[in-house]
Amino acid sequence: EPEVTQTPSHQVTQMGQEVILRCVPISNHLYFYWYRQILGQKVEFLVSFYNNEISEKSEIFDDQFSVERPDGSNFTLKIRSTKLEDSAMYFCASRPTGPEQYFGPGTRLTVT
Amino acid sequence: QKEVEQDPGPLSVPEGAIVSLNCTYSNSAFQYFMWYRQYSRKGPELLMYTYSSGNKEDGRFTAQVDKSSKYISLFIRDSQPSDSATYLCAMIRAGTALIFGKGTTLSVSS
Repeated sequence: EPEVTQTPSHQVTQMGQEVILRCVPISNHLYFYWYRQILGQKVEFLVSFYNNEISEKSEIFDDQFSVERPDGSNFTLKIRSTKLEDSAMYFCASRPTGPEQYFGPGTRLTVT
Repeated sequence: QKEVEQDPGPLSVPEGAIVSLNCTYSNSAFQYFMWYRQYSRKGPELLMYTYSSGNKEDGRFTAQVDKSSKYISLFIRDSQPSDSATYLCAMIRAGTALIFGKGTTLSVSS
């Protein structure tokens, strides 16, 4: 069964460093998402991406964040200058034309 | 008032029990209602979703939506230890972003 994959599974970085989180969505899906989950809190929407552009973003998704689909398979989230409060699980999700979103296993980002 | 409220539990039941998990919401614009299961440090796994008021059944799981009360439920019949996880409700209004509840932690003991 096809699934969303994410790399790395765990990333440790120092405050102020740039990180890139990578995702490979399910191959025939058209819509791509990033969510995050701070430990003990709810899953929060960051951004959605369709047809090579951002279609929706939350207040969390400020100028420090960017997304890209550099080729036909990868979907990336870049955090330009990480802060301690960026420590969280980051989930990529994708969906076909219907509303159901399928999530990857997540990348645990630890900012020290 | 939070958009989506979900009692975090924990909820502990014996194997074979019927489990009822619930969420309330405040925004009548929500159109799709989803239930996800999340194991510790893993990604949410979609269980089922509904569009309108009423019931939807899939095996041991039944999702129920009452739009007039802004209340959704997930029932698990004949619960198993493998059902032990955190259950997240999520909803979509305009656009496609999922708005999640905080999740209810369920423990099924054998």
